[in-house]
Amino acid sequence: EPEVTQTPSHQVTQMGQEVILRCVPISNHLYFYWYRQILGQKVEFLVSFYNNEISEKSEIFDDQFSVERPDGSNFTLKIRSTKLEDSAMYFCASSAAGGASTDTQYFGPGTRLTVL
Amino acid sequence: DAKTTQPNSMESNEEEPVHLPCNHSTISGTDYIHWYRQLPSQGPEYVIHGLTSNVNNRMASLAIAEDRKSSTLILHRATLRDAAVYYCIRFGNEKLTFGTGTRLTIIP
Repeated sequence: EPEVTQTPSHQVTQMGQEVILRCVPISNHLYFYWYRQILGQKVEFLVSFYNNEISEKSEIFDDQFSVERPDGSNFTLKIRSTKLEDSAMYFCASSAAGGASTDTQYFGPGTRLTVL
Repeated sequence: DAKTTQPNSMESNEEEPVHLPCNHSTISGTDYIHWYRQLPSQGPEYVIHGLTSNVNNRMASLAIAEDRKSSTLILHRATLRDAAVYYCIRFGNEKLTFGTGTRLTIIP
């Protein structure tokens, strides 16, 4: 069964450093998402991406964050200058039908980001 | 604001049915009810969704009240692998808005 993969599984970085989290969505999906989950808290939406542009973003997704689909398979989340409060699990998801109410999002296993 | 209300936690014995309730009294006519679950140390996983009629799939059943103000996820025969946090989500556009969900504990 096709699945979303994410690398690395765990990333440790120093505050102020740039990090890039990588995702390989399911191959025939066209809609891509990033969510995050701070330890012990809810899963929070960050951004959705379709047709090479952001379709929706949350208040969390400020100028320090960017997303890119650099080739036909990868989908990346970049945090330009990490802060302590960026420490969280970051989940990538993909779907076939985007905003359709019947759409199903498929999540990856997550990248645990630790900012020291 | 997830706009759904679920119990914080529930317990069930292994191999017995589990009924997980969800209240969504302000749901709009076009919002679907989606259920996802999150197993320990994993990403969320789709379980089932529906609009008005009851729905069945290989994982679970979804019973939706006639007035659509509540729904119940039914696991017909819980196993230890069903221990997870279950999220009931009103879905009308691209993003999933997760609440705190119901933490389901399965007792062997």
